[in-house]
Amino acid sequence: DSGVTQTPKHLITATGQRVTLRCSPRSGDLSVYWYQQSLDQGLQFLIQYYNGEERAKGNILERFSAQQFPDLHSELNLSSLELGDSALYFCASSVGPAPLHFGNGTRLTVT
Amino acid sequence: AQSVTQLDSQVPVFEEAPVELRCNYSSSVSVYLFWYVQYPNQGLQLLLKYLSGSTLVKGINGFEAEFNKSQTSFHLRKPSVHISDTAEYFCAVRSDGNSGGSNYKLTFGKGTLLTVNP
Repeated sequence: DSGVTQTPKHLITATGQRVTLRCSPRSGDLSVYWYQQSLDQGLQFLIQYYNGEERAKGNILERFSAQQFPDLHSELNLSSLELGDSALYFCASSVGPAPLHFGNGTRLTVT
Repeated sequence: AQSVTQLDSQVPVFEEAPVELRCNYSSSVSVYLFWYVQYPNQGLQLLLKYLSGSTLVKGINGFEAEFNKSQTSFHLRKPSVHISDTAEYFCAVRSDGNSGGSNYKLTFGKGTLLTVNP
């Protein structure tokens, strides 16, 4: 058990809709990272938050946004969904330079 | 900029055979390297890491990796694999960003699917 909790585990929605993915980091971890995993793109870094502030951005679409709340949990918001957004979305957390600890992911299916 | 290349997308082996999963990286700064394993329908689990010190790193489940700076490689090895080692393996390099030492995002390779056959 990595200590990182992601909800929901599965999400099925239609094109054009908006969804919110939630992540609770390991206790004490200040950094939260979001990754998207798909068959064609592999693991792509989306965005990182550190103690509530955005610290790094990767290949995140403008239709996607995220935030980290004072209790350190994070939400990833995906809007105007397209079929190509179907993927596994992982949250990871870390403290300092320690390796990332990953949650079990949210599998998003857009129909 | 940094990148990771996993040279083999699939590696089939027989049970109890040795295996090596290859990883090469490029980075303009000091590197910190990781191997993760992903079992079906699960998240990524850390196998081992190289941050500094000895270039031979031992991890969980009998895996080890050797950091070779001159060849910019970090190959993963196991002397005798089990059926239960069937999974996808990811090599990753860490970038230390410019945000006051708080940016530690990883760049991942495309993964190597290890299939252990009886």
